[in-house]
Amino acid sequence: DQQVKQNSPSLSVQEGRISILNCDYTNSMFDYFLWYKKYPAEGPTFLISISSIKDKNEDGRFTVFLNKSAKHLSLHIVPSQPGDSAVYFCAASVMDSSYKLIFGSGTRLLVRP
Amino acid sequence: ETGVTQTPRHLVMGMTNKKSLKCEQHLGHNAMYWYKQSAKKPLELMFVYNFKEQTENNSVPSRFSPECPNSSHLFLHLHTLQPEDSALYLCASSQSGQGDIQYFGAGTRLSVL
Repeated sequence: DQQVKQNSPSLSVQEGRISILNCDYTNSMFDYFLWYKKYPAEGPTFLISISSIKDKNEDGRFTVFLNKSAKHLSLHIVPSQPGDSAVYFCAASVMDSSYKLIFGSGTRLLVRP
Repeated sequence: ETGVTQTPRHLVMGMTNKKSLKCEQHLGHNAMYWYKQSAKKPLELMFVYNFKEQTENNSVPSRFSPECPNSSHLFLHLHTLQPEDSALYLCASSQSGQGDIQYFGAGTRLSVL
């Protein structure tokens, strides 16, 4: 049973528009969430994170929103650029008690020029 | 360049072979991880080492044998693998364990014939 789910395997967006990637989780103990980006033939690279004490974290064009009551987080990319085309993974953990990051299965984002 | 280097990048082996995957991190981190990514599945944590001590073995079959001689190096020794073990094997490191951001290598693409 997957504790972290990314229900959209792929997403296609026009350059300059907003990309919204979604992630749901089932374990209410998770209190730290991360997004990673992965290009082909490379390992995942850290993008942005959020602690459960916040509901929003912003870094340039990337914003992560957390809705704890819905056990849902989303990554917004505005404006989207062709270089953002990659696979995006969300991950969750329980800080201070576990080494485990639990990953979703990823969403492939294609930003069309 | 993430500071985590994995060799080889690609490996093809028969079921009776013995081979090893190598990971080296230049980030001064104390925790290192092995993950497996099979097609269309989430990253699965295999092993965690913190200060050279194994702290997590995620029910991995004994045909996978990790070794961590120091905080900068991590090996995964492989023997009598099965075709279903074909996957991308990723190494990661973090400052310590417990929810820290993990930095990944580019992975070793393993094919078992």
